[in-house]
Amino acid sequence: QVHLVQSGAEVKKPGASIKISCKTSGYTFTKFYIHWVRQAPGQGLEWMGIINPSGGSTGYAQKFQDRVTMTRDTSTSTIYMELSSLISDDTAVYYCARVGGNSGYRPFDIWGQGTMVTVSS
Amino acid sequence: EIVLTQSPGTLSLSPGERATLSCRASQSVTSNYLAWYQQKPGQAPRLLIYDTSSRATGIPDRFSGSGSGTDFTLTIRRLEPEDFAVYFCQQYGGSPLTFGGGTKVEIK
Repeated sequence: QVHLVQSGAEVKKPGASIKISCKTSGYTFTKFYIHWVRQAPGQGLEWMGIINPSGGSTGYAQKFQDRVTMTRDTSTSTIYMELSSLISDDTAVYYCARVGGNSGYRPFDIWGQGTMVTVSS
Repeated sequence: EIVLTQSPGTLSLSPGERATLSCRASQSVTSNYLAWYQQKPGQAPRLLIYDTSSRATGIPDRFSGSGSGTDFTLTIRRLEPEDFAVYFCQQYGGSPLTFGGGTKVEIK
């Protein structure tokens, strides 16, 4: 059974960085792209970027280009998303999501459970 | 960037009724690569429909999608109690991927 399990909730101060993990299981890690999406409280979904677990190539939304980094560890089948220079508007639930196919830009068939990040002084 | 506008914002219906949700794109969606997701409180979104009209694995046939170009529709034929939730459309025809603002289907 396919699972994406994310790291736990975090509280950070403005200016800090956050690194969230997304541990995958139940499928061949390198065959499916992973995206990151966030959702501010009571708001809609916002796409942040994509990583190819096979070679590690990435693509980021322009809004996050300067402060997001997505990486992967093939030995543990885990994806990481690091966001720096946090501000209060970064308070949100962050999701990793797997693409349901061998292309990067396909719908997301499996989602992690979400990681709540609160940015507060 | 393709902006997706969903309407209505909230739909108040009774179980057994038909729900029609709209998603309009600011420009044509490449290859009609449009998906619909359902989200319940405290849960991650769940894929319902992809490529405009294909149901994802395990999705009941009361859910259907249609449309092309810039106008897309999700129809729930007869609402079941578990269908009351928020629904988002998403285009994945190109980067950046974008989502609509959501339609909440609530019990009347």
